[in-house]
Amino acid sequence: DADVTQTPRNRITKTGKRIMLECSQTKGHDRMYWYRQDPGLGLRLIYYSFDVKDINKGEISDGYSVSRQAQAKFSLSLESAIPNQTALYFCATGKALPGEETQYFGPGTRLLVL
Amino acid sequence: AQTVTQSQPEMSVQEAETVTLSCTYDTSESDYYLFWYKQPPSRQMILVIRQEAYKQQNATENRFSVNFQKAAKSFSLKISDSQLGDAAMYFCASGGSNYKLTFGKGTLLTVNP
Repeated sequence: DADVTQTPRNRITKTGKRIMLECSQTKGHDRMYWYRQDPGLGLRLIYYSFDVKDINKGEISDGYSVSRQAQAKFSLSLESAIPNQTALYFCATGKALPGEETQYFGPGTRLLVL
Repeated sequence: AQTVTQSQPEMSVQEAETVTLSCTYDTSESDYYLFWYKQPPSRQMILVIRQEAYKQQNATENRFSVNFQKAAKSFSLKISDSQLGDAAMYFCASGGSNYKLTFGKGTLLTVNP
């Protein structure tokens, strides 16, 4: 089984709809991240969390919110989806230890907002 | 703040040949880490190799190696004996004490048979 899973894998929604993307991990990592990938722009950080009580904004958090329900679960919500939020979304995890900066990625969720 | 620049949007290589992907970075941190991730058509992000900035020795993983030039802030990836399965988008990334990664925009590698 995959260590980091994302649901759904693909989603089509309409402008103005609320949508939630979910991420679960079995790696036992404390750190979790949400990124979006757009063609030609690489990956950009939306939100990150270093433990259940810690939530931080990344460089492009406007229009998004997150919830860390447990150490293993980190959800990303689009309260009112808009077409420019069409992108590939990745969840990632990492250990909270010095020298453990490597991040491990889920398979991604492709979101299309019409 | 950290920045990562990949100046080659696309590269191509013949099967069995060697190719080098370029990456430059800028960081204010003294202790940082550098990474190359591979994204094949399956879109999964796969760690290829990592380098600790305090280590002078270049990292190597089988056919993948890096040329880390700390003073020049350069971190290139060399792929030897290229295989068809190496075709992918490659991302360079840097990370530091804040446990956040900054990614470049990627280089699309094509491997020709």
